[in-house]
Amino acid sequence: DQQVKQNSPSLSVQEGRISILNCDYTNSMFDYFLWYKKYPAEGPTFLISISSIKDKNEDGRFTVFLNKSAKHLSLHIVPSQPGDSAVYFCAPFSSGTYKYIFGTGTRLKVLA
Amino acid sequence: EAQVTQNPRYLITVTGKKLTVTCSQNMNHEYMSWYRQDPGLGLRQIYYSMNVEVTDKGDVPEGYKVSRKEKRNFPLILESPSPNQTSLYFCASSSTGGGYYGYTFGSGTRLTVV
Repeated sequence: DQQVKQNSPSLSVQEGRISILNCDYTNSMFDYFLWYKKYPAEGPTFLISISSIKDKNEDGRFTVFLNKSAKHLSLHIVPSQPGDSAVYFCAPFSSGTYKYIFGTGTRLKVLA
Repeated sequence: EAQVTQNPRYLITVTGKKLTVTCSQNMNHEYMSWYRQDPGLGLRQIYYSMNVEVTDKGDVPEGYKVSRKEKRNFPLILESPSPNQTSLYFCASSSTGGGYYGYTFGSGTRLTVV
């Protein structure tokens, strides 16, 4: 029973174009939604988050969109850079249980 | 530098030989957590701790033990490792329990049990 799904295991994008990573969830109890980025041989690093009461949060080149009715969130990276090549995990969080449920990750490759 | 330090980075061991993976953070965080990462499964929580002497099970606690005797340290103990515990392990800490500001993760420990 996968509560969080990232249906695209991999994505390739040209440098300078937009990268869109998607995440679907089933549990309505999540109240924060985070994205983590992971490079090989390193631990995940926190990238950006959004509260369940918002539908958009922007930080520089990164924007996260939340559609609660569809139980869907997405991460937009504009413009994409080769240094963005990494695995991205979405991670909804429940304050009631202090738990994340991580998605399986999407490997982004930005081509120079 | 604010960080979470795990040791060792790589470990190969034999079935049944007790081992400990250490985790230390220098940010005075209350919350600490252990995760394992397996192909196709994302990261799954093993145990977490909300403060000294307060620990609770995550989603996959079987075969693991933890302790939190000091705020900065949160070791993961495998009393009798088995091959299905071969995985990539991450320790993480947070001042808020995760939430909006996320966790700070260590660099990982790759464990192989033969």
